[in-house]
Amino acid sequence: QKEVEQNSGPLSVPEGAIASLNCTYSDRGSQSFFWYRQYSGKSPELIMSIYSNGDKEDGRFTAQLNKASQYVSLLIRDSQPSDSATYLCAVTGSNQFYFGTGTSLTVIP
Amino acid sequence: NAGVTQTPKFQVLKTGQSMTLQCAQDMNHNSMYWYRQDPGMGLRLIYYSASEGTTDKGEVPNGYNVSRLNKREFSLRLESAAPSQTSVYFCASSESGNLAGYTFGSGTRLTVV
Repeated sequence: QKEVEQNSGPLSVPEGAIASLNCTYSDRGSQSFFWYRQYSGKSPELIMSIYSNGDKEDGRFTAQLNKASQYVSLLIRDSQPSDSATYLCAVTGSNQFYFGTGTSLTVIP
Repeated sequence: NAGVTQTPKFQVLKTGQSMTLQCAQDMNHNSMYWYRQDPGMGLRLIYYSASEGTTDKGEVPNGYNVSRLNKREFSLRLESAAPSQTSVYFCASSESGNLAGYTFGSGTRLTVV
């Protein structure tokens, strides 16, 4: 079983809609959770971090964490074509982060 | 503020050749990492350095060596390149502990023929 699982997609949403990205993880001891955005041919860019159960909002982005169910999600409200990218979920282990394989999101104008 | 700088950006090697990928960060981060990214495999940790003077193996260390030259610099060496090492390599850095995310370099696209 992989440490971090994500649906690879592709996920397509129309412009202005809410995009929902999900991630599950296996290590119950994980303390920190991150979402990265990666445009094609570019490096991953940190967009959200969350450490406690519940929701964390930053602009159009909301991260949700449920440690009991071992999942973390990212909601993107009012999706824009510029949000089209691959979104990577990362979860902390003992000395490193474990990354999911990413979900490809396309926002259709 | 440059962040994390990787060189080179592109490289083509012949099987058996050696090369060193360079990485430097100017954020005074203690921890540095080398990842490779392959289609369908995601980011996989090759080696990391939790602090200056220490290095540890990650998930896929075979065929690689690293040097933490000082707090700023962390290099990755391929002693005898193989086609299986064709990949995109990312260097990253972070503050100590697990509460801070990574800052990634721009990547090195390596092809071994």
